[in-house]
Amino acid sequence: DGGITQSPKYLFRKEGQNVTLSCEQNLNHDAMYWYRQDPGQGLRLIYYSQIVNDFQKGDIAEGYSVSREKKESFPLTVTSAQKNPTAFYLCASSIASGAYEQYFGPGTRLTVT
Amino acid sequence: GDSVTQMEGPVTLSEEAFLTINCTYTATGYPSLFWYVQYPGEGLQLLLKATKADDKGSNKGFEATYRKETTSFHLEKGSVQVSDSAVYFCALSPSGAGNQFYFGTGTSLTVIP
Repeated sequence: DGGITQSPKYLFRKEGQNVTLSCEQNLNHDAMYWYRQDPGQGLRLIYYSQIVNDFQKGDIAEGYSVSREKKESFPLTVTSAQKNPTAFYLCASSIASGAYEQYFGPGTRLTVT
Repeated sequence: GDSVTQMEGPVTLSEEAFLTINCTYTATGYPSLFWYVQYPGEGLQLLLKATKADDKGSNKGFEATYRKETTSFHLEKGSVQVSDSAVYFCALSPSGAGNQFYFGTGTSLTVIP
């Protein structure tokens, strides 16, 4: 079955630690995205990548970093510089960037204490 | 800039009631419009989409018509079920390549037996 996997589903970290969230897709999609979702709020774009070895900042990139070394993988690192990292993180992919539907993974809930 | 505004929730309906969730948008050109659904603790799933004016997207009894004259894409269902309880997101993708999605803040729907 094709799809997007995110691991782990729940992640707990101490304040001051960097943490990396995994996102893998086997849909052969060129574009991948990371969103942050806070309770009662919509999705906010953190980073997106239109092609391997290229990525752009979204609306709330500060305190986050990404890499896109392989087409199927787009890991997100939440650094200690992110002031409020506790949130639900969603990864998505699409055939290409633009007016194509995005397919979402199941999400990772990160709690930092 | 481009944006999506959807009605605030939460919305509570009895089973078999008629559902409308309003969505209006602001965009230049001819965006594509989407409705996504999110069940508790999960990622978003595409519900339906429309790519040009007067298109009607439909899926699982849900419908939405792309109205350019009123810049709207309201979601409707004639008879809701308890299993429809979820959060619904309206989204817009501007025309042209390389553009990001814009999501509404989501509308929570609870259907009671």
